[in-house]
Amino acid sequence: GAGVSQSPSNKVTEKGKDVELRCDPISGHTALYWYRQRLGQGLEFLIYFQGNSAPDKSGLPSDRFSAERTGESVSTLTIQRTQQEDSAVYLCASSLVLTGVEQYFGPGTRLTVT
Amino acid sequence: AQTVTQSQPEMSVQEAETVTLSCTYDTSESDYYLFWYKQPPSRQMILVIRQEAYKQQNATENRFSVNFQKAAKSFSLKISDSQLGDAAMYFCAYRDNDMRFGAGTRLTVKP
Repeated sequence: GAGVSQSPSNKVTEKGKDVELRCDPISGHTALYWYRQRLGQGLEFLIYFQGNSAPDKSGLPSDRFSAERTGESVSTLTIQRTQQEDSAVYLCASSLVLTGVEQYFGPGTRLTVT
Repeated sequence: AQTVTQSQPEMSVQEAETVTLSCTYDTSESDYYLFWYKQPPSRQMILVIRQEAYKQQNATENRFSVNFQKAAKSFSLKISDSQLGDAAMYFCAYRDNDMRFGAGTRLTVKP
């Protein structure tokens, strides 16, 4: 595709439910990144993928968060047993290679936990 | 760990005037990249300009230019001839292996 896409655009869920957020990177981009942006704040790095591998998961806020990537393409960020503190915009970005170049961002998914 | 600091939570500029947004960073690396991203209300992060640390020449993109002071670890963004469409959150970012963002500066453009 022409750019990074994310779905859904908005998600409202009840506390305790699981949610899946999807990211489709730019075709051919080997690196993919997930960020969290709380209201009025900057971007908090969560995890990156080089190909289908995520070498460092230490940025994930808790063990309720997990992410996977398949086919060096689509990535899914899963949040289990959602809490109100998980409410935020989740941004995905991709880049051609892992280091040294800019990242291209998707429009984000706004998650609201009620 | 690298940190990126934007000391101006909010800035305001009159249309057609010039404004400078500040950014400082902390690193022990000598080779890295710096970026300014714009985030309008649509949430879409848009790359405004980038600077390679090994280049002494300041990057310029049309009305946007940077003042890169490597020794001072400073990377400010100058917007000339400000337009209403420039109103947005602006994030400074640092990258070597990781990408780190500042907290952002909200720019308001007054007609």
